[in-house]
Amino acid sequence: SQTIHQWPATLVQPVGSPLSLECTVEGTSNPNLYWYRQAAGRGLQLLFYSVGIGQISSEVPQNLSASRPQDRQFILSSKKLLLSDSGFYLCAWSVEEAGGLDDGYTFGSGTRLTVV
Amino acid sequence: AQKITQTQPGMFVQEKEAVTLDCTYDTSDPSYGLFWYKQPSSGEMIFLIYQGSYDQQNATEGRYSLNFQKARKSANLVISASQLGDSAMYFCAMREVNTGFQKLVFGTGTRLLVSP
Repeated sequence: SQTIHQWPATLVQPVGSPLSLECTVEGTSNPNLYWYRQAAGRGLQLLFYSVGIGQISSEVPQNLSASRPQDRQFILSSKKLLLSDSGFYLCAWSVEEAGGLDDGYTFGSGTRLTVV
Repeated sequence: AQKITQTQPGMFVQEKEAVTLDCTYDTSDPSYGLFWYKQPSSGEMIFLIYQGSYDQQNATEGRYSLNFQKARKSANLVISASQLGDSAMYFCAMREVNTGFQKLVFGTGTRLLVSP
């Protein structure tokens, strides 16, 4: 069965420190991978998505970057965190079937990041 | 322009009663999918129900049903026989087919509180 692992669950980091959040998927090949951020009490904002190894698309210009070094690994990074980077970060995956629309996303359990 | 609109920031319902959570969407793409997700306080995103734009019948999944009114571009979630465990944030989302990569775009969510 397909599973998605995301860690750490919570993180408190000082302003200006680096960040690395990791997400891995099991049980599927060539998934589409996504990073979303959810500010407190808000909806989900798509940050990055990837359709393959080394292929990253950014939705929102910001202090963050993403990488996909392996087929089922997606990493969210920052060189210097800002206070505004605080939020709940969710990784998700989907598999595109030909013409398929009902392939919803499967989400990880999320990382709650607090920048202090 | 807002693709998904959820106008109810919060809703209250008594246990065992039915509740409707509103969602309207905006798209010019004839082919799209609509999703509802539940987010309990733990933060995970749980897929509830899916409706395709060409589906003739409203989607149902157990106590969840989707009231799909295509001409009005609304996709309201109906939860029947509410339970205390239904207390959570609920997000409506849309995925278009013909406007590039099939990203899932979320509304701002509705917080549902079920009281005994």
